[in-house]
Amino acid sequence: RKEVEQDPGPFNVPEGATVAFNCTYSNSASQSFFWYRQDCRKEPKLLMSVYSSGNEDGRFTAQLNRASQYISLLIRDSKLSDSATYLCVVFTSGTYKYIFGTGTRLKVLA
Amino acid sequence: GAVVSQHPSWVICKSGTSVKIECRSLDFQATTMFWYRQFPKQSLMLMATSNEGSKATYEQGVEKDKFLINHASLTLSTLTVTSAHPEDSSFYICSATGTSDQETQYFGPGTRLLVL
Repeated sequence: RKEVEQDPGPFNVPEGATVAFNCTYSNSASQSFFWYRQDCRKEPKLLMSVYSSGNEDGRFTAQLNRASQYISLLIRDSKLSDSATYLCVVFTSGTYKYIFGTGTRLKVLA
Repeated sequence: GAVVSQHPSWVICKSGTSVKIECRSLDFQATTMFWYRQFPKQSLMLMATSNEGSKATYEQGVEKDKFLINHASLTLSTLTVTSAHPEDSSFYICSATGTSDQETQYFGPGTRLLVL
């Protein structure tokens, strides 16, 4: 089993739609969680950190469920510019490693 | 803040040559720098972790004699791909974490290496 698993997609959604991505992780000792966005042929850019209490940044909402070991990202009112690959990243301080999911591709269609 | 640069952004070289990639944190001191490799349509794979002034820690399967990492200062790490071969062609990305926030990593723009 992979340490961090994501549905690779692609998710094709119309503009204005709401889309949700899930990510599961296997190491219960993991302590920090992030969503990164990666555009084609570019480096990943931090979208948001994920906290147990959940956090929201504009149209983006991230949730963490430690008991079930999954993280989610919700995007509301999708824009064409949201088309990218969304990477789930899990950090474990014991090993000081960031483990990346394979990414979920999102295509927002006009 | 938290800007990481990489140089060069593109490299095309002949098989057998060595290629050096620089990673710099521009506006913060990076306690740790990471080197990743990404093949097309795949996720980032960690190659090694480096801390300033100490030897890099390589991931399983990554040859330390082939991928030389030097972390000479808190703002600079270099990756040298020695005797590059076509299978080394990839997107190499570095990232850094700072002294104030050691959990959030910031990525450089990446270096595309093509070995002919």
